[in-house]
Amino acid sequence: AQSVTQLGSHVSVSEGALVLLRCNYSSSVPPYLFWYVQYPNQGLQLLLKYTTGATLVKGINGFEAEFKKSETSFHLTKPSAHMSDAAEYFCAVSDGLMNRDDKIIFGKGTRLHILP
Amino acid sequence: EAGVTQFPSHSVIEKGQTVTLRCDPISGHDNLYWYRRVMGKEIKFLLHFVKESKQDESGMPNNRFLAERTGGTYSTLKVQPAELEDSGVYFCASSQETAPTGELFFGEGSRLTVL
Repeated sequence: AQSVTQLGSHVSVSEGALVLLRCNYSSSVPPYLFWYVQYPNQGLQLLLKYTTGATLVKGINGFEAEFKKSETSFHLTKPSAHMSDAAEYFCAVSDGLMNRDDKIIFGKGTRLHILP
Repeated sequence: EAGVTQFPSHSVIEKGQTVTLRCDPISGHDNLYWYRRVMGKEIKFLLHFVKESKQDESGMPNNRFLAERTGGTYSTLKVQPAELEDSGVYFCASSQETAPTGELFFGEGSRLTVL
């Protein structure tokens, strides 16, 4: 069974500073990994996902995440935070075996606050 | 193109009452998922429809929850009778291809408060 742990339910960074949201996963098979974002009064939106291949994945709005198998991590980063990045971010994992229909398992979420 | 829409956005009911949540997926999306988030906890999978068939309902908490998707279009999730622990935000998502290959598109959620 897969699981996801997000470190920190709330993270605050100054505008222009580096954003780092941490995610560790547990999976007995090659995982698919995701980051979703929920802006206020909106549904969850896919930021980026890792399936196979290149371990550094680029997403929308300047975000990227790196799959590190040895550390079972998939941390989300952005070099320079913008006020519009204030939202809740969810890391998620799924079974990456080909032709498997499997549910996506979400973490508890990290709320990102941007300080002016 | 319209996104995933959910109704109502917020419902407040008393313990023992019945509530029905509705989800309209993106047109043409055969896959429809229900998730729930209890305050402060993770978003948990409830069930997955492919067209009108339940593909996976392993996340349904108990038999007080009934999900339907008649005709393979919109879906309803009924809670009867509601208990205090049912409070939370219920999310619906749809996708063209089955997850995890297909991207999930989420609605804004229906917040349920049981008093």
